Amino acid sequence: DADVTQTPRNRITKTGKRIMLECSQTKGHDRMYWYRQDPGLGLRLIYYSFDVKDINKGEISDGYSVSRQAQAKFSLSLESAIPNQTALYFCATSDLQGNGADTQYFGPGTRLTVL
Amino acid sequence: AQKVTQAQTEISVVEKEDVTLDCVYETRDTTYYLFWYKQPPSGELVFLIRRNSFDEQNEISGRYSWNFQKSTSSFNFTITASQVVDSAVYFCALSPSFMDSNYQLIWGAGTKLIIKP
Repeated sequence: DADVTQTPRNRITKTGKRIMLECSQTKGHDRMYWYRQDPGLGLRLIYYSFDVKDINKGEISDGYSVSRQAQAKFSLSLESAIPNQTALYFCATSDLQGNGADTQYFGPGTRLTVL
Repeated sequence: AQKVTQAQTEISVVEKEDVTLDCVYETRDTTYYLFWYKQPPSGELVFLIRRNSFDEQNEISGRYSWNFQKSTSSFNFTITASQVVDSAVYFCALSPSFMDSNYQLIWGAGTKLIIKP
C-alpha cells in the first residue's frame, strides 16, 4: 500500500461548488503539505502543517482552506471553486529533522478540473 | 534571494546517450539542502536524492549521478546511457535552513526530459 494516498484521484466540478481533497499517510510523519502544480510553473505551496495544532499559509493560500484532522490526515478545501483552480494537487509529508533536512514524500496527486 | 533555476525547459536525446540536467541555486544560508525529484508521465513525484551543503562529494546511484559544486552554486544531475523509462520531468529543489523560511522547499520550474528510442 502507498505511504501517502490522495482521494479522489480525479475530479471534475463546476464553478461555485465546494470541494474537498483528502490526504492520508501511514509514514508517521508530523509534517504535511498541500501543493498545486500548473504547467510550466512547477510546484507552489498552498498550506502546510507541522503538527495537528499547527496550520500555516503557503505561497498561494487564497481561495483554499485546510483541516488537519489527525496526524495522518490533512484535507484541502476549495470553498467555492473557480476555473483557475484547475490544476494537479499534491499532498506531501515529511519527518521533522530540523535545519532544512526534511525530505518530502508525495502522494500520487489529484487532478482537479473546474468547469 | 532564495531561488532555483533550471534553465533547460526541455531536453530530447536518443536512447543510450548521456544527458545532464542543470540546476543552479541562490541562497544566503550556509547550511541548506538540495533535492532532485522525478515526475514520470503517470504524474507522481518521486524523491531521488537529498544532499546537504557540507557534502560536496559526487553521488552515484546506478546510471544516475549528481555533481554538487558550491563554487558555482550548482547541483547537476547526469543520466548515463539513458533509457526510454527515464523520460520524465525532473525537478530540483532547495531547502534553506533560514528560520524565516520555515524550511519550505523552493522549487525549480522543472526540466522535461524526452528519451527517444
